[in-house]
Amino acid sequence: GAGVSQSPRYKVAKRGQDVALRCDPISGHVSLFWYQQALGQGPEFLTYFQNEAQLDKSGLPSDRFFAERPEGSVSTLKIQRTQQEDSAVYLCASSFRTSRDTQYFGPGTRLTVL
Amino acid sequence: RKEVEQDPGPFNVPEGATVAFNCTYSNSASQSFFWYRQDCRKEPKLLMSVYSSGNEDGRFTAQLNRASQYISLLIRDSKLSDSATYLCVVNIKGGSYIPTFGRGTSLIVHP
Repeated sequence: GAGVSQSPRYKVAKRGQDVALRCDPISGHVSLFWYQQALGQGPEFLTYFQNEAQLDKSGLPSDRFFAERPEGSVSTLKIQRTQQEDSAVYLCASSFRTSRDTQYFGPGTRLTVL
Repeated sequence: RKEVEQDPGPFNVPEGATVAFNCTYSNSASQSFFWYRQDCRKEPKLLMSVYSSGNEDGRFTAQLNRASQYISLLIRDSKLSDSATYLCVVNIKGGSYIPTFGRGTSLIVHP
């Protein structure tokens, strides 16, 4: 079956622009996660949904970052007024039930802020 | 101090060698441990879960030591195709269990 998909795969934004990154999880997966990965580092947790409920957003670096999953399926990560330090790969993952289950990752969106 | 720590390497080994990586975690209430593999510019992919009793999958063996708070990955008979970054994941209890990644250990297997 289809895996996790993300779009766009690449995004170049000028500093100060708003961006929206989309994630389509595996069908039927309850949990969805967003991570930020800088070069040479492991993925850093941003936020986590179970169905439409955002259970944890402790990793969001500032109030410029906002995530939603209104119908418990597709999720969008929005970054307002992008800064150069936001440049990274944004990974989405889904798992069958909880945060303790195996996660399946999408290919990521590589964001470059100029 | 980071909650999950890994030696970034690189570990440079010849084909056929046995290599082991460790990953330490700081929160004793952690649950659910995994090893993921990440190839350059690709997404992480599950290599194996880690159980208290230890588990083996072909050339790969993973173990959990709760007393000393680390997990390990052993790769026997290394292949060129094993070259990648190996990420450990520990679910750390906060409000909920948060999957927390180490920074990864780079493995280079050479002919």
